[in-house]
Parts: sequence; structure tokens; C-alpha cells
Amino acid sequence: AQSVAQPEDQVNVAEGNPLTVKCTYSVSGNPYLFWYVQYPNRGLQFLLKYITGDNLVKGSYGFEAEFNKSQTSFHLKKPSALVSDSALYFCAVRASLTGGYNKLIFGAGTRLAVHP
Amino acid sequence: GAGVSQSPSNKVTEKGKDVELRCDPISGHTALYWYRQSLGQGLEFLIYFQGNSAPDKSGLPSDRFSAERTGGSVSTLTIQRTQQEDSAVYLCASAGQGADTQYFGPGTRLTVL
Repeated sequence: AQSVAQPEDQVNVAEGNPLTVKCTYSVSGNPYLFWYVQYPNRGLQFLLKYITGDNLVKGSYGFEAEFNKSQTSFHLKKPSALVSDSALYFCAVRASLTGGYNKLIFGAGTRLAVHP
Repeated sequence: GAGVSQSPSNKVTEKGKDVELRCDPISGHTALYWYRQSLGQGLEFLIYFQGNSAPDKSGLPSDRFSAERTGGSVSTLTIQRTQQEDSAVYLCASAGQGADTQYFGPGTRLTVL
């Protein structure tokens, strides 16, 4: 069965420093991986996805993620963190439903706190 | 363009009452999903609609939960005889035909007293 793990409940980073939010996955077949961000009292906003191709995926707001097949990881990164990046981040993997359709399975989320 | 919208944004109800939550997907999106976000369970899939096909209800937690989608557009999630454990944020998402990316609405925060 497909699953996603985000091993850190919270990540604390100083503004201007690089940030990494970790995600590992377990899927059968080729993974379709996603990162979403949730700001307080808001829905989830799509950041980026990996389907195929380059292992380094670039997304919104200067974020990028590196797909590593051997380590089954899809860590989210940003070279220089901003206070406004403070939010809840979710990693997700596409999972199959019957009829050839699909849904998303989410990790538990990682709260990113960027300090001035 | 307009994103996914949901109403109401907040709903407080008493245990045992029925509630209806509404989702307006992005225009032209054929796929519509409902998810639930709660402290104990994280984000969990509830139900999926694709065009006029029968929905996939595999994530619904009990028979008190139901959903419909009229005319392939607006969807309503109904919870009958609400329980306190139903308190959560209910998120709706839509996706284009054959697309992988789901776009989420702001959610409805349901509180059952």
C-alpha cells in the first residue's frame, strides 16, 4: 500500500538560512509525488510535483524538491528561508482508486517556523 | 480565474443534527474530491467524483456520510446525525480531465458540540 512519511513534526529555521522539509514514500510502481502548503485558516496550496524527468523539481515561491529513487525520498528545499514561509507543509503521493482513477495520500504534515 | 470555493467557511452544530457542506469546483474540472483534516487523523480521503461516473466512496467513514454532485459541477457533502468526532476541516479539491494536480478550496471548519 502507498504511504508517505514526514519524520519531523516541526522544523525551525532562521530567516535567510536554507531549509529542508523531509518526506519519504512507499509506492508500488512509479511514484507521483506532490508538496502542498497550508497557511493558517486556509486550504492547501499546490507547490510542486514530480511525475517523471529531472530529479530536481522547481515550484512556487522559490521552493524546489529533489526526488531520490534509491532513498525513496522527496525532500522539499529552499535556499533562503523567509518568515512568510512559516506554514504547514504536506507531502503527498498519488494512490490508485478503482476504475483507473486516483486520490492523494498525505503525510502528517511538518510545521515550518522561520524566525527573524 | 476563480479557484475552488466552499461554503460555509465555518459551521457549528449540535450533536445529532444533519449538516450540508458545499463545494464549487474550478470551472471545467471534471474530477472532484472531498478530504477531511482532523487532529487525530491528519488529511484523509473521503470520496471522489469523475464526470458522470459513479463516485468512489471508499473513504467515507460511516453510512452517516454521503455526497452528491449535481450536473457534474457543484457537490454537497452531507453528514447525518453528527457526532463530536465529526469535528474537522472538510476540504474539497478539483482537477482537470486526466490531470494529476488537485486544487483545494479553503475548507469548511465543522464543530459539533
